[in-house]
Amino acid sequence: NAGVTQTPKFQVLKTGQSMTLQCAQDMNHNSMYWYRQDPGMGLRLIYYSASEGTTDKGEVPNGYNVSRLNKREFSLRLESAAPSQTSVYFCASSGGARAQYFGPGTRLLVL
Amino acid sequence: KQEVTQIPAALSVPEGENLVLNCSFTDSAIYNLQWFRQDPGKGLTSLLLIQSSQREQTSGRLNASLDKSSGRSTLYIAASQPGDSATYLCAVSSPGAGSYQLTFGKGTKLSVIP
Repeated sequence: NAGVTQTPKFQVLKTGQSMTLQCAQDMNHNSMYWYRQDPGMGLRLIYYSASEGTTDKGEVPNGYNVSRLNKREFSLRLESAAPSQTSVYFCASSGGARAQYFGPGTRLLVL
Repeated sequence: KQEVTQIPAALSVPEGENLVLNCSFTDSAIYNLQWFRQDPGKGLTSLLLIQSSQREQTSGRLNASLDKSSGRSTLYIAASQPGDSATYLCAVSSPGAGSYQLTFGKGTKLSVIP
């Protein structure tokens, strides 16, 4: 039982490049989330998916797109990376009003 | 808009002390409150979840309380150990925020000195 897994663990991009962050959970949770964590700003929600087939914007969605591929997988795409997107990205999942479980994170550096 | 505050931002205590971490939130209409631990360079580990109808939850040396009416929660750590050194985050899930999304505080960085 792996919980929430994320790939890659670390990535360096040049400004304007694109990439997709992958997330998968094996807990049969309906809801999945993408957060970013920045020094002094805390964790902020980028996008979430309440259930398979639905996605909604969070607090800081600009510059990102998401896809809920199936119940297990929720990906985050940066179409044209900017230095302001340098951050640590966390994926999480939950079953309704229960605890959220987080993945190990992806560290992204945009030069 | 829900706001979560954690004070102090950093705390240093000698090993063996009991300690309390504080969390406050501005909107008392919450679904639940969750405490996390984050080690440097790592992800978040869920410690305790308190539903809005509950007053406290316990796990081992940890006890979390919730006073929804005053918008406060505390995390009590008994007999602290150097291995407890980490950043502790408080987060609340509120109505109006879709699908139980969390609003986080900025954390308290705890150092337990041997």
